[in-house]
Amino acid sequence: EDQVTQSPEALRLQEGESSSLNCSYTVSGLRGLFWYRQDPGKGPEFLFTLYSAGEEKEKERLKATLTKKESFLHITAPKPEDSATYLCAVQARAGGTSYGKLTFGQGTILTVHP
Amino acid sequence: EAEVAQSPRYKITEKSQAVAFWCDPISGHATLYWYRQILGQGPELLVQFQDESVVDDSQLPKDRFSAERLKGVDSTLKIQPAELGDSAMYLCASSLSRGPSNEQFFGPGTRLTVL
Repeated sequence: EDQVTQSPEALRLQEGESSSLNCSYTVSGLRGLFWYRQDPGKGPEFLFTLYSAGEEKEKERLKATLTKKESFLHITAPKPEDSATYLCAVQARAGGTSYGKLTFGQGTILTVHP
Repeated sequence: EAEVAQSPRYKITEKSQAVAFWCDPISGHATLYWYRQILGQGPELLVQFQDESVVDDSQLPKDRFSAERLKGVDSTLKIQPAELGDSAMYLCASSLSRGPSNEQFFGPGTRLTVL
């Protein structure tokens, strides 16, 4: 069974204080690892997809990296508007004609204080 | 910008009543997913459609939940009868079924409260 564990559960930062979020996973053949941002009361917003170990992607103050067992979301010089829940999910390689489900972690709640 | 549409955004019902949620995916997305998200947890898949066919409903409580996508476009998720434990956010997502892009895009969700 595919499993995703995120840490820490909650993270409080001062504006400008860089840090990292962790996503550990086990999956029966990785098709892709996804990062989403979710604001309270809203649906998840897509950030990145990573496909293979060693891959990195960046978007503004966010950088995602991937190894064979975990992924990190690095936040550089965060701003209060980066406050949200960050979700990590894995998609397994599957047979059939369509892409399979995402298995999500429980999320990391990030709060950035001005 | 293309988005996944869901309605209603909020629904309050009493237990044992029936409720229904609607989803319109991004145009051209053949794969549609319904997820349930309990407060403080990540979303969990309920059912996945490829066009009008169900490809994964292993986590759908079939004694009370049903889903359909009759013309392979929009979809309806129904709960009958609703139970207190069904209170959650119900999220619809869609994706292409082939090609290099397999990202799933989510709608705003329907927040269900069962009293």
